[in-house]
Amino acid sequence: DVKVTQSSRYLVKRTGEKVFLECVQDMDHENMFWYRQDPGLGLRLIYFSYDVKMKEKGDIPEGYSVSREKKERFSLILESASTNQTSMYLCATVTSGGTNTQYFGPGTRLTVL
Amino acid sequence: KQEVTQIPAALSVPEGENLVLNCSFTDSAIYNLQWFRQDPGKGLTSLLLIQSSQREQTSGRLNASLDKSSGRSTLYIAASQPGDSATYLCAHGGTSYGKLTFGQGTILTVHP
Repeated sequence: DVKVTQSSRYLVKRTGEKVFLECVQDMDHENMFWYRQDPGLGLRLIYFSYDVKMKEKGDIPEGYSVSREKKERFSLILESASTNQTSMYLCATVTSGGTNTQYFGPGTRLTVL
Repeated sequence: KQEVTQIPAALSVPEGENLVLNCSFTDSAIYNLQWFRQDPGKGLTSLLLIQSSQREQTSGRLNASLDKSSGRSTLYIAASQPGDSATYLCAHGGTSYGKLTFGQGTILTVHP
């Protein structure tokens, strides 16, 4: 089975802090994604990566950056956390080509005070 | 801009009923259509994936169909059970990269 892990289930940070959310997958998948999920807004794509050191902006990249130094690890960075970044963050992975079934991690519930 | 709409937003049914969840999308250029299940506070679990060349997929009590011409997909759940209670999300995949556009979800409650 594909396993996607996220570094924290719950995280509380203060406004202005730099926040790192990490996602690790064990299936050698090329493509990885970061979404945030908010009530009434659904899941929205922040960034995705289709290879090591490659990244593409999603629909809502403002206030975020990403890093992919190794194939199995995709990090989401909040440069200066703000209260409107309080959300559930979900990482997903998919192999390129093939069926493109997406596998999701358990999510990180981030609260910015 | 791609939009995905799910109807109804919430559904409450007694155990044993057959039910249909609806999903519509605006972009007819589709690579695949996926249905996911999400339990409260958890990540998403893939239920069914329909490639653009397919009309439907089945897994156990679940059947999903895809009509590209009308921009619609349906998820049919047979003989519903309380354990089926969850949020069901459909997602439009427009490219082979796997980038998805999600609907808002249907919150399903199956009561004994």
